[in-house]
Amino acid sequence: EPEVTQTPSHQVTQMGQEVILRCVPISNHLYFYWYRQILGQKVEFLVSFYNNEISEKSEIFDDQFSVERPDGSNFTLKIRSTKLEDSAMYFCASMNGGLSYEQYFGPGTRLTVT
Amino acid sequence: AQSVSQHNHHVILSEAASLELGCNYSYGGTVNLFWYVQYPGQHLQLLLKYFSGDPLVKGIKGFEAEFIKSKFSFNLRKPSVQWSDTAEYFCAVLGGSQGNLIFGKGTKLSVKP
Repeated sequence: EPEVTQTPSHQVTQMGQEVILRCVPISNHLYFYWYRQILGQKVEFLVSFYNNEISEKSEIFDDQFSVERPDGSNFTLKIRSTKLEDSAMYFCASMNGGLSYEQYFGPGTRLTVT
Repeated sequence: AQSVSQHNHHVILSEAASLELGCNYSYGGTVNLFWYVQYPGQHLQLLLKYFSGDPLVKGIKGFEAEFIKSKFSFNLRKPSVQWSDTAEYFCAVLGGSQGNLIFGKGTKLSVKP
């Protein structure tokens, strides 16, 4: 069964550094998402991406965040200058469109900012 | 803004016990509701969903959920749990037309063999 994959599984970075989290969505899917879960808190929506542009974003997704689908297979989340409060599990998800609204999630990347 | 509440943080059951996990949502209009499960070390996967029609929805692995509009609830049930049901369970509501989900805090279920 096709799966969403994410790399790396764990990323440790220093405050102020840039990080890029990578995701490979399921190949025929059209909608892509990033969510994050700070330890002990809810899974929170960050951004959705469709037709090569951001379709919706939450208030969390400020100017330090960006997303890209550089080559038609990868879907990346960049955090330009990490803060301690960016430490979280970041989940990528994809969906094939239509009315099913069934999202398939990746295993997540644990980001630790020190 | 829509929100989802899951009141049980951690539920511990013995095998064969019945399960009911609570989920309440805030929005009073048309809602699309989901239950996701995350087994230890694995990714979130869909258990079941409700969009319309029969308010009793059956999902995978013997789970079901009942949509009760008057109570703003979408509780997850299973008549007899197994040790392999040990996982974290997340209730979610569709947040917008682009498919983004609004999640509850999750309920951790531990099933003792």
